[in-house]
Amino acid sequence: EVQLVESGGGLVQPGGSLRLSCAASGFTVSSNYMSWVRQAPGKGLEWVSVIYSGGSTYYADSVKGRFTISRDNSKNTLYLQMNSLRAEDTAVYYCARDSITMVRGTHRYFDYWGQGTLVTVSS
Amino acid sequence: AIRMTQSPSSFSASTGDRVTITCRASQGISSYLAWYQQKPGKAPKLLIYAASTLQSGVPSRFSGSGSGTDFTLTISCLQSEDFATYYCQQYYSYPPITFGPGTKVDIK
Repeated sequence: EVQLVESGGGLVQPGGSLRLSCAASGFTVSSNYMSWVRQAPGKGLEWVSVIYSGGSTYYADSVKGRFTISRDNSKNTLYLQMNSLRAEDTAVYYCARDSITMVRGTHRYFDYWGQGTLVTVSS
Repeated sequence: AIRMTQSPSSFSASTGDRVTITCRASQGISSYLAWYQQKPGKAPKLLIYAASTLQSGVPSRFSGSGSGTDFTLTISCLQSEDFATYYCQQYYSYPPITFGPGTKVDIK
C-alpha cells in the first residue's frame, strides 16, 4: 500500500528555517517525480517544488532561492528545507507522488498525497 | 505561467442533482488537465486526469470533458459524500504546474 507521511511542521519566526520530511512506503521515491504542494489557510492549492527521478529540481517563483527539495534514497524520504521563512509561507504542506502516464501524450497527476503538515510563520 | 479559472466559485446543490463545474485555461492546454476533490481537513484526491480519464476507484458518476481551454467536471447524481471543494490542475506547461482556485459544492 502506498503511503506518504509528512512531519516537521510547526511554529517558526519570520526569517527562520524549517525542514519538512515525507516518508514514503509502498513505492520508491527515487524512481518517481515527487512534489510539494501547499495550501494557505482557507485558500487554494499552490504547487511549490518538484524533484524528478533523474534528480532535477524546480521551484515556484514564490520560493525560489529560499526552499530546497531533496531526497534520501536510503530512507525513501523526501525533504523540503525552508529558509528565510515569511508570513505568507504559512500553509499546510503536502508531499505528493507526481505520477506519469504516457498514453496519447505525457500525463502527469498527483495520485498519492500525504496528510499534510502545518507550517506557521509568526512572531 | 498558465492561469486557471473555475466557475462558479461555489454553489449549493441537493443530493441527486446533476452538477457541472467549469475550468478554463488562459491558453490552450490540449487535454493536459486533472481534477481533484478535497474535503475539509483532508488531502486532495485525484478524480480525473487527461481531462476525461477516471482514476482507478473513482465512482463512474464523475466524468470529465474538454480540450484546449475549456473543461468541465460533471457529477451525474450528487451523493452526500460528494460535498467538497473541486480543483482543476494543468500540466501542459511546467514548471509551474498550476491549479484553479477551486469550486465549493455545499448542501442546499
